[in-house]
Amino acid sequence: NAGVTQTPKFRVLKTGQSMTLLCAQDMNHEYMYWYRQDPGMGLRLIHYSVGEGTTAKGEVPDGYNVSRLKKQNFLLGLESAAPSQTSVYFCASSYSGESPLHFGNGTRLTVT
Amino acid sequence: QQQVKQSPQSLIVQKGGISIINCAYENTAFDYFPWYQQFPGKGPALLIAIRPDVSEKKEGRFTISFNKSAKQFSLHIMDSQPGDSATYFCAASLVYKYIFGTGTRLKVLA
Repeated sequence: NAGVTQTPKFRVLKTGQSMTLLCAQDMNHEYMYWYRQDPGMGLRLIHYSVGEGTTAKGEVPDGYNVSRLKKQNFLLGLESAAPSQTSVYFCASSYSGESPLHFGNGTRLTVT
Repeated sequence: QQQVKQSPQSLIVQKGGISIINCAYENTAFDYFPWYQQFPGKGPALLIAIRPDVSEKKEGRFTISFNKSAKQFSLHIMDSQPGDSATYFCAASLVYKYIFGTGTRLKVLA
């Protein structure tokens, strides 16, 4: 079992470029989440999904879109990257709403 | 009402000492309080968790103390080891919505 896999691990974008971050989990989890981690701010929820085909906004959704077309995948898109989106992005999944979160190893994104 | 306040921001402890990290929450509806450990370049991993119907939970050298009336909970690491050097996050959860503290960077000196 790989757990939660995030690709890519690192990415540098220029302002205005777009990209998609991929999260894949092989644990048959229903719930999936995207967080961003910034120094001194902990982990902040961007978007989440409670099942295949569903998505919902979290605490800091502006500038991001997500899709959950397959149960095992959760995609995070940046349509027009901004320097304020420079961060480390973590995907997480959980079996149910009351189960522990399992995190991937993150994607470090720099927007110049 | 959704904040979780964590302190200290950083902590240096001698090998064999006790590391203590504190968190406070406001929303009394939270029903699950996990602690996550994160090493550089890795994602956070669940360390230990507690529900508000118990006041303490111990797993090896790690203990959570929970004070429901004060809306505070803390992580105690006994006999701290250099391998415990990491960033620790507390969190409070209601169903699937987690609110994380801002993290404590722990360094254990050999």
